[in-house]
Amino acid sequence: AQSVTQLGSHVSVSEGALVLLRCNYSSSVPPYLFWYVQYPNKGLQLLLKYTSAATLVKGINGFEAEFKKSETSFHLTKPSAHMSDAAEYFCAVSAHSGGSNYKLTFGKGTLLTVNP
Amino acid sequence: KAGVTQTPRYLIKTRGQQVTLSCSPISGHRSVSWYQQTPGQGLQFLFEYFSETQRNKGNFPGRFSGRQFSNSRSEMNVSTLELGDSALYLCASSLGTGSETQYFGPGTRLLVL
Repeated sequence: AQSVTQLGSHVSVSEGALVLLRCNYSSSVPPYLFWYVQYPNKGLQLLLKYTSAATLVKGINGFEAEFKKSETSFHLTKPSAHMSDAAEYFCAVSAHSGGSNYKLTFGKGTLLTVNP
Repeated sequence: KAGVTQTPRYLIKTRGQQVTLSCSPISGHRSVSWYQQTPGQGLQFLFEYFSETQRNKGNFPGRFSGRQFSNSRSEMNVSTLELGDSALYLCASSLGTGSETQYFGPGTRLLVL
């Protein structure tokens, strides 16, 4: 079984400040990890994904995440927040679930507010 | 390449009715997954279809069902609607051959009165 915990349902930062969104996972097999972003009344857009190639993963819009196996973490960061980053962010894990298929298990989400 | 499309975008139904939602995946994608998003439960996996077969299923009652056609388009049906079925239903498509990325559609917002 797999699970995801996102610490902090709401994070507020000032424009230009560091963004840090926390994600911890649990998986009985090597995981594949994803960060998605959801803007109001929209579907989910992939920011980045980890598939065991490199522990530091760079995504779109200046976001990156580091996979730390020892800490079972996959935190999302961005050096300088922009107003357009305000959205809800979801961490997700997938793992083999039998029969060569995969399903995504999502965290509860973190709402990011960017203050001017 | 066109993205995942879902129709309709908005629906209002009353308790006891049934509803069918449609999803057209990205061209070439053979896997379609469905998720329910609610403020209380977050994003929950409903089921996944690959080559017209249900490969994986989440923990939802039998009122929730789906199917996939030979062109990979998928439909999801909810029978005997309950107030708690009000949610955003998201469809995602992928190649279906491994842990590749799932691409999401804009969703169908269902309101049950």
